[in-house]
Amino acid sequence: QKEVEQDPGPLSVPEGAIVSLNCTYSNSAFQYFMWYRQYSRKGPELLMYTYSSGNKEDGRFTAQVDKSSKYISLFIRDSQPSDSATYLCAMSAAGNNRKLIWGLGTSLAVNP
Amino acid sequence: NAGVTQTPKFQVLKTGQSMTLQCAQDMNHNSMYWYRQDPGMGLRLIYYSASEGTTDKGEVPNGYNVSRLNKREFSLRLESAAPSQTSVYFCASSGRVGGNQPQHFGDGTRLSIL
Repeated sequence: QKEVEQDPGPLSVPEGAIVSLNCTYSNSAFQYFMWYRQYSRKGPELLMYTYSSGNKEDGRFTAQVDKSSKYISLFIRDSQPSDSATYLCAMSAAGNNRKLIWGLGTSLAVNP
Repeated sequence: NAGVTQTPKFQVLKTGQSMTLQCAQDMNHNSMYWYRQDPGMGLRLIYYSASEGTTDKGEVPNGYNVSRLNKREFSLRLESAAPSQTSVYFCASSGRVGGNQPQHFGDGTRLSIL
């Protein structure tokens, strides 16, 4: 079993829809949780970063962490065609020299 | 703002040829990383350099070597390319190795080995 599981999709939604992207993990030591967005033929770019449990909101994007269920989510409100990309989750335990563990990424298409 | 710059962007090699992928960052980061990304496999860490003068193996180091030339530059070398090394290679950097240090990526080198 992988440490981080992420459904690769593809996910296709109409413009304006609320999108929910999810990752599950098995390592209870994970404390730092990130979402990256990757456009076609580009490198991943950091979208959201949270520490421990709770919610974080940035514009149309909300990241949630539920450590009791070992589950993280990224919500996109009022989705736009420009949100079409692959979304990767990444997470890490606390402490020095802890490397990021990556999900496989979910491909999202927002249709106008 | 350049961030992380990778060269070349595309390359086609024949089996057995050698090649060096270059990476430079201008964010004064201590740590740098090389990943490969393949369909269905996600991002896999090849090598990383926690700080200038140090390098360590990642998840898939076989067939690769790296050099941390200085604080800014981290190169990846394929000594004898194999078709299994056909992939998209990403370089990344962060303040240091640690979960509270998000990584910043270049736009990748697309490498095809025939």
